Amino acid sequence: GAGVSQSPRYKVAKRGQDVALRCDPISGHVSLFWYQQALGQGPEFLTYFQNEAQLDKSGLPSDRFFAERPEGSVSTLKIQRTQQEDSAVYLCASSLVGGLVSEQYFGPGTRLTVT
Amino acid sequence: AQSVTQPDIHITVSEGASLELRCNYSYGATPYLFWYVQSPGQGLQLLLKYFSGDTLVQGIKGFEAEFKRSQSSFNLRKPSVHWSDAAEYFCAVGAPDQTGANNLFFGTGTRLTVIP
Repeated sequence: GAGVSQSPRYKVAKRGQDVALRCDPISGHVSLFWYQQALGQGPEFLTYFQNEAQLDKSGLPSDRFFAERPEGSVSTLKIQRTQQEDSAVYLCASSLVGGLVSEQYFGPGTRLTVT
Repeated sequence: AQSVTQPDIHITVSEGASLELRCNYSYGATPYLFWYVQSPGQGLQLLLKYFSGDTLVQGIKGFEAEFKRSQSSFNLRKPSVHWSDAAEYFCAVGAPDQTGANNLFFGTGTRLTVIP
């Protein structure tokens, strides 16, 4: 079956522009995660949804970052007024149910470059 | 707070040789531990996980890992490496006793190069 998909795969933005990154989780997966992976680093947690509810947004680095999942399936991560330090790969993951015992399946990521 | 250390940034092994990738964690209780592999252009794929019980866990692609509480380690091993194992490997920890904690904390990764 289809895995987690993300679009676009690559995005170049000028500093100050707004961007929107999309995640299509595996159908039926309740939980959805966003991670940020800077060059040479491991993924870092940004935010977590259970269905349409955003239960944890403790990892969002600033109020320029906003995520939503209005119908409990597709999610969008929006970054306003992008800055160079936002350059990273943004990974989306989904899992069947909540909790750590449910395997997280990762998408290929969106590579964001801010110039 | 939990954290993960992968001391080796880059490891090179010959095809057919054995492999051990190191992972140390910091956490007050018994964590949930994971190893993921990331190939270029691919998403992270789960190799194996440890929650409780037998401290030696088997995973996919012939990998295994051993949880050693006394050393706060969860090293990944493979007896004979294949060229297709060349990738980035990430150790991750989850905090099961933290209410509402569902996310993973990742190490910085170890890049594996396999030479013929």
